[in-house]
Amino acid sequence: DTGVSQNPRHKITKRGQNVTFRCDPISEHNRLYWYRQTLGQGPEFLTYFQNEAQLEKSRLLSDRFSAERPKGSFSTLEIQRTEQGDSAMYLCASSSPDRGPSGANVLTFGAGSRLTVL
Amino acid sequence: DQQVKQNSPSLSVQEGRISILNCDYTNSMFDYFLWYKKYPAEGPTFLISISSIKDKNEDGRFTVFLNKSAKHLSLHIVPSQPGDSAVYFCAGNRRSRDDKIIFGKGTRLHILP
Repeated sequence: DTGVSQNPRHKITKRGQNVTFRCDPISEHNRLYWYRQTLGQGPEFLTYFQNEAQLEKSRLLSDRFSAERPKGSFSTLEIQRTEQGDSAMYLCASSSPDRGPSGANVLTFGAGSRLTVL
Repeated sequence: DQQVKQNSPSLSVQEGRISILNCDYTNSMFDYFLWYKKYPAEGPTFLISISSIKDKNEDGRFTVFLNKSAKHLSLHIVPSQPGDSAVYFCAGNRRSRDDKIIFGKGTRLHILP
């Protein structure tokens, strides 16, 4: 397994355009998370899926944002009518139902998709 | 409402010395705490975790200490190496509730030669 894969790595778009990011998690991981990171901040939770079910959405996720995980494998995050404030790194992570010896929910992150809205 | 706080934006430490990164939290519902390390242009990578019922966990050069009464944890790196230069994020995991991971803002560690 090559880890969590995110595409595209970089996206530059004009304000008002729609963008879509894709995440391919580690195959045996049933949970998939989306986070957003801006400069000087830590990753901020956006939403997460267990298999194909979207279990929680942050209030940060306005109605312009939508995420899907149709077959419980890859996920897409779409931003409609982008605004300059949407410029950020969008991080995807996945985790296994098997917690291992630590017991913590250890997320494995992808390299992220950087969005720049002009 | 910042539930996980890392009050030092940056820290510089001489190579070979001990690096101590601090983290405070306000949410008593965290069951686990995790430290992640992030290099530029990469996603965060997991470093070490600790259960809220323990006060210490060690893995090689990395040790995490938890002071539950003070709601404070720290990550010790001994000895510090050049490859340790990165941004370190402290995070809390509310496993018994929604299992989310909530991150602090991070501390940038510079290891000086």
